[in-house]
Amino acid sequence: DQQVKQNSPSLSVQEGRISILNCDYTNSMFDYFLWYKKYPAEGPTFLISISSIKDKNEDGRFTVFLNKSAKHLSLHIVPSQPGDSAVYFCAASARGTSYGKLTFGQGTILTVHP
Amino acid sequence: KAGVTQTPRYLIKTRGQQVTLSCSPISGHRSVSWYQQTPGQGLQFLFEYFSETQRNKGNFPGRFSGRQFSNSRSEMNVSTLELGDSALYLCASSFRDNNSPLHFGNGTRLTVT
Repeated sequence: DQQVKQNSPSLSVQEGRISILNCDYTNSMFDYFLWYKKYPAEGPTFLISISSIKDKNEDGRFTVFLNKSAKHLSLHIVPSQPGDSAVYFCAASARGTSYGKLTFGQGTILTVHP
Repeated sequence: KAGVTQTPRYLIKTRGQQVTLSCSPISGHRSVSWYQQTPGQGLQFLFEYFSETQRNKGNFPGRFSGRQFSNSRSEMNVSTLELGDSALYLCASSFRDNNSPLHFGNGTRLTVT
């Protein structure tokens, strides 16, 4: 049972344009959502998070949107840069019962072309 | 501020052997979690330790175990290694509060032959 899904295995974007990565979840107990970026041979790097009490969180070029009724979140990167090329994972947790337990999606490979 | 440190970075073991992986969390972080990443299953939660106590456990066999020391450093052990245990093992640490994300180390790449 895949509780967090990233349905797009890959995304290709031109430098300077917007990258939109999507994620769906099924577990209504999830109340904290995160995005991570991962390069080969490195661990995931935390990008941005959002609590279920919010519907939007911004940090520089990164914005995460949460639609609780649709159980959907998205990550917007504006403007996209070649250095953003990596695998992006969304993750979710139910903080009340399991702070350290994240459920991850399968990842989306983002390629930003110069 | 130093990040999460995992040792060793690479390890090659033979089926049936056991292995111990080490993790030093970010200074001040008392929660340590372990994850397994494989091409087929993605990133999967193994267990979490906080204040030397296991707080959560993922769906892995009993061959996978861990512990946490009083200085928050953690180790995980895999006994009777199988070929399918070949994976990247990642450690993550956090403050374990409502707004504290997990920060990951670069992992230990375990190859079982």
